[in-house]
Amino acid sequence: RKEVEQDPGPFNVPEGATVAFNCTYSNSASQSFFWYRQDCRKEPKLLMSVYSSGNEDGRFTAQLNRASQYISLLIRDSKLSDSATYLCVVNGQTGANNLFFGTGTRLTVIP
Amino acid sequence: DTGVSQNPRHKITKRGQNVTFRCDPISEHNRLYWYRQTLGQGPEFLTYFQNEAQLEKSRLLSDRFSAERPKGSFSTLEIQRTEQGDSAMYLCVGGSSYNSPLHFGNGTRLTVT
Repeated sequence: RKEVEQDPGPFNVPEGATVAFNCTYSNSASQSFFWYRQDCRKEPKLLMSVYSSGNEDGRFTAQLNRASQYISLLIRDSKLSDSATYLCVVNGQTGANNLFFGTGTRLTVIP
Repeated sequence: DTGVSQNPRHKITKRGQNVTFRCDPISEHNRLYWYRQTLGQGPEFLTYFQNEAQLEKSRLLSDRFSAERPKGSFSTLEIQRTEQGDSAMYLCVGGSSYNSPLHFGNGTRLTVT
């Protein structure tokens, strides 16, 4: 089983829609979780960290469900500029050296 | 600006040649990772440095790949006898504490012809 799994999409949504992505992870000891955004042929850039209590940044909300071992990203009022690939990143376990990336979920916001 | 710079941005080489990439993180990045990413895939872990010590290498890393981080500052990734399958984006990533976000360099895109 892969350490991190994401639905690759693509998700095609109209402007203004709400869209949610999930990402599951296999190691229950994982400690750190992040969502990164990657534009075509660019490097990933941090979108937001994911905290146990859930956190919000403008139109973006991240949630962590430890019991079910998944993290989610909710985007409200989608903008054309939100079109990108969204990668979830999980720290394998406490003190582990490597991080695991999902394959990314491709989002296209349509006018 | 993430503070992580990579050179070169693009490299085109013929199969069988050796290539070397460089990554310069900021001084706070005691953790340094190399990842490889092909189109449509997430980044794949290659190797990890804690300061100057190479603590982990992926099983994906064949003996043609070697990485160094002398003095715990910049790092180099060398690929010997390149193959077409090595064509990818090579990403250098810096980090400080385990719970802090990672900072990606803008990558070196390698094309092996």
